[in-house]
Amino acid sequence: DAGVIQSPRHEVTEMGQEVTLRCKPISGHDYLFWYRQTMMRGLELLIYFNNNVPIDDSGMPEDRFSAKMPNASFSTLKIQPSEPRDSAVYFCASSLGGGPNGYTFGSGTRLTVV
Amino acid sequence: AQSVTQLDSQVPVFEEAPVELRCNYSSSVSVYLFWYVQYPNQGLQLLLKYLSGSTLVKGINGFEAEFNKSQTSFHLRKPSVHISDTAEYFCAVSANTGRRALTFGSGTRLQVQP
Repeated sequence: DAGVIQSPRHEVTEMGQEVTLRCKPISGHDYLFWYRQTMMRGLELLIYFNNNVPIDDSGMPEDRFSAKMPNASFSTLKIQPSEPRDSAVYFCASSLGGGPNGYTFGSGTRLTVV
Repeated sequence: AQSVTQLDSQVPVFEEAPVELRCNYSSSVSVYLFWYVQYPNQGLQLLLKYLSGSTLVKGINGFEAEFNKSQTSFHLRKPSVHISDTAEYFCAVSANTGRRALTFGSGTRLQVQP
C-alpha cells in the first residue's frame, strides 16, 4: 500500500486566493482526519469523517474552511479566501476503526499564504 | 474531553544514554494512549500504543512506555538512544468509546548529541 497520499506537498499562494488540499486515504480505512500543525498551536484536529460522513467539525477555524469526502478514496480541505495566518502544515490521516488502531499520517502539505 | 500535557518541550541527551519523555493526560473516561514520532519534514509515525492489559508496552526502535493509571501518566523510555532518534515525539490520547479522534500533546523535541 502506498500509504496516505497528500497533494500538493508545498503550496504558496497569495492572500485572498482559494486553496484546495487533497488526500487519498489508505484503501479500506473508514476514518479520515484533517489536522493542522503550527509552532504556536501544535497539532489541532480540524475535522474527521467516518464512512465519508463528517462527524466532528468543531475544530474548523471559521467559515473560510470547508472539507468534503465525496467517496471513500478522496477528501479535500478548502480554504477560501486564504489568509497569512492559515500558513501551516496540514496533515491528513486515516484509520481503520478510529482510535484503537492509531492513525496513518500522510506527509503533509506545507501551506504558505503571502 | 481529553487533554495531554508533555512536560518537556526539549530534551537534550548524549548518544547511548537513557532517556525518558514525560506525558500526563486528563480524561473523565477510559482512554487509549499513543506515542508518535515525527522526523523533519515528515508525517507522524506510530511508535507504540496502550489499549488495555499489561501496563508496559513495547514499540518500534527499542522504545517502551508504561501506563500508570493512578498518576495518569504514559512516559516514554529508551535505555540507549542513537543519533537517529533525534526527532519530535508526540503523546496522544483518545477515548475508548464514542469520539475516536486523537488529542495530541504539544510535543517534545529529543536532541541526541554525539
